[in-house]
This record gives sequence, structure tokens and C-alpha cells, in this order.
Amino acid sequence: KNEVEQSPQNLTAQEGEFITINCSYSVGISALHWLQQHPGGGIVSLFMLSSGKKKHGRLIATINIQEKHSSLHITASHPRDSAVYICAVRQNSGGSNYKLTFGKGTLLTVNP
Amino acid sequence: NAGVTQTPKFQVLKTGQSMTLQCAQDMNHEYMSWYRQDPGMGLRLIHYSVGAGITDQGEVPNGYNVSRSTTEDFPLRLLSAAPSQTSVYFCASSYWVLGGTEAFFGQGTRLTVV
Repeated sequence: KNEVEQSPQNLTAQEGEFITINCSYSVGISALHWLQQHPGGGIVSLFMLSSGKKKHGRLIATINIQEKHSSLHITASHPRDSAVYICAVRQNSGGSNYKLTFGKGTLLTVNP
Repeated sequence: NAGVTQTPKFQVLKTGQSMTLQCAQDMNHEYMSWYRQDPGMGLRLIHYSVGAGITDQGEVPNGYNVSRSTTEDFPLRLLSAAPSQTSVYFCASSYWVLGGTEAFFGQGTRLTVV
């Protein structure tokens, strides 16, 4: 069974700090997603990664397939970044497989 | 495009009542799925569909039914609501891109069963 572990579970930062959220998984995957969920809100896909690194604005996502590990970085954090960040992976089943396995999420609070 | 639209956003049911959570997408995506989100747990897959007329069970299917008569719509039916079904429900649709799938989520339905 594929387990997806995120750390930390909760993270409090001051505005402007550099933030890192980690995600580890236990089986081979074909893709990893980072999602964002604001309190009481919907879920938005931030990144989909199968290798290397992606950047969008102040957000950077990296993945190391060999080590089964991904990180989400936020540079110059802002209170509007406060949200739950969720890691999800799609297993490498060799066929058409859309199913995702989700981590429990990391609650990020950025104080002004 | 409206993306993925879920209705209602909030619902309170009495134990034993039935209801249907609606989900529609206008992006012509093949794959649609329903998840439930509970405190302290990751999203869990209830049912999914890889195309019109094709559905299958996910991780936690008991107490729920689905159908997919069109590409656009994927309703989730609660047959006889129980307090254990109090949760936030998300519908999602996905399509293939190079390297994987892109997923789009609805805004969620917060369901309380009393």
C-alpha cells in the first residue's frame, strides 16, 4: 500500500520567511501533485511533477524520484499563503491510472 | 469554462434520509472522482469513473452510489445517510498531459448528518 507522509503537520511562520514543506512516499510513482486548500475553500492544483523542479511565482516544487521525496518551497511568505498544502501521488501502475493517494496535509499559518 | 461545479455547498440531513450531491464539469474530461475529507485524514476516494457508463469503487464506497450517464455529470448518491457520513465532499475531474494528469477540484460540499 502506498503511504504518503507530509511534514510538518503544522507550520507557523512570520511574513517574509522561507518555507519548506516535505512529502515522502513509499512506492514508485508516475507523478506527484501539490495542492492548496484555503480554510473553508476548494482545492487548487499548484504543481504536477514527474521529475526535477518547477517554479511558479514564489512557489517552487522539487522531486527526487530515487529518494521518493518532494518538497514545496515558498519564498518571501505572505499571510495570503496561509492554507493547507496537500501532497498527492499517482502510482506507477503501468497503465491508465488516474487514482491519487493523498497526504494528510500541512497547515501553514503566516503571521504579518 | 466553469471548471468543476458542485452543488449544494452546504447540506444538513437527518439520519436515514437520502440525497444526491451534484458534480458537473465542462472541460470534457474523461476521469471524474468523488473524495471525502475528514479531520486528520487525507482525502479518500469514494468512487470514480473513467468515462460515460463506466464507474468503479474507490477506497470507501459503502453507503454511496454513483452513475455516469454523460461525460459532464457525475452525481454521488447517499442512500440512507448516517452520522459517519458527515464530511466534506470533493468532486474532481482529470485529463492526461505529458508526464501525468492534471486534476481540477470542485469547491466542496459540507455535509452534516444529524
